[in-house]
Amino acid sequence: AQKITQTQPGMFVQEKEAVTLDCTYDTSDPSYGLFWYKQPSSGEMIFLIYQGSYDQQNATEGRYSLNFQKARKSANLVISASQLGDSAMYFCAMREFDSNYQLIWGAGTKLIIKP
Amino acid sequence: DTGVSQDPRHKITKRGQNVTFRCDPISEHNRLYWYRQTLGQGPEFLTYFQNEAQLEKSRLLSDRFSAERPKGSFSTLEIQRTEQGDSAMYLCASSPPRTVKITYEQYFGPGTRLTVT
Repeated sequence: AQKITQTQPGMFVQEKEAVTLDCTYDTSDPSYGLFWYKQPSSGEMIFLIYQGSYDQQNATEGRYSLNFQKARKSANLVISASQLGDSAMYFCAMREFDSNYQLIWGAGTKLIIKP
Repeated sequence: DTGVSQDPRHKITKRGQNVTFRCDPISEHNRLYWYRQTLGQGPEFLTYFQNEAQLEKSRLLSDRFSAERPKGSFSTLEIQRTEQGDSAMYLCASSPPRTVKITYEQYFGPGTRLTVT
């Protein structure tokens, strides 16, 4: 069974609009962490934001916020005021605490920002 | 503060040849990971080191693959008798010890793109 599901293979968004990238996960481990990474066409994986399963508040990092709904097992990434430089692949990943810290990845969402 | 570096960035080899990739993690990061990523997919975990100890290997890592981290600093990933199915991006990542940062986010290098002809 898929542990990380990203249902949007691609998205087009107008510059300056907000965008939400979906991520649902599946785990029976009560302790886990959720991550979002950005991968531009250059290939390097860039860490964006982290949410721990016990965190009470939704994580925020600048224009990035994570809409964490634990009961629904969803961890959507919200990018406010999108910019042309936000065009990239976005990956959701999960670390379970009994997994020796390896990350399990979704298939990614290709985001294209239109001018 | 330099990031994770990988060498080479690109490698083209003929089927059956051996290749070796190097990863230099961020200094003082004791955890090091190797992943493989094929086009249009998320990365797949290959192996994990804590200091010099290889603590986990994926079932994806066949006998032709071997990884080392001899002094707990840089790591090498060797693929013997390469096959066309080995063509992929090989990503290395490192993360700091829990005493530094408990969230364990991984910092990635630029990757080595392998093409087997």
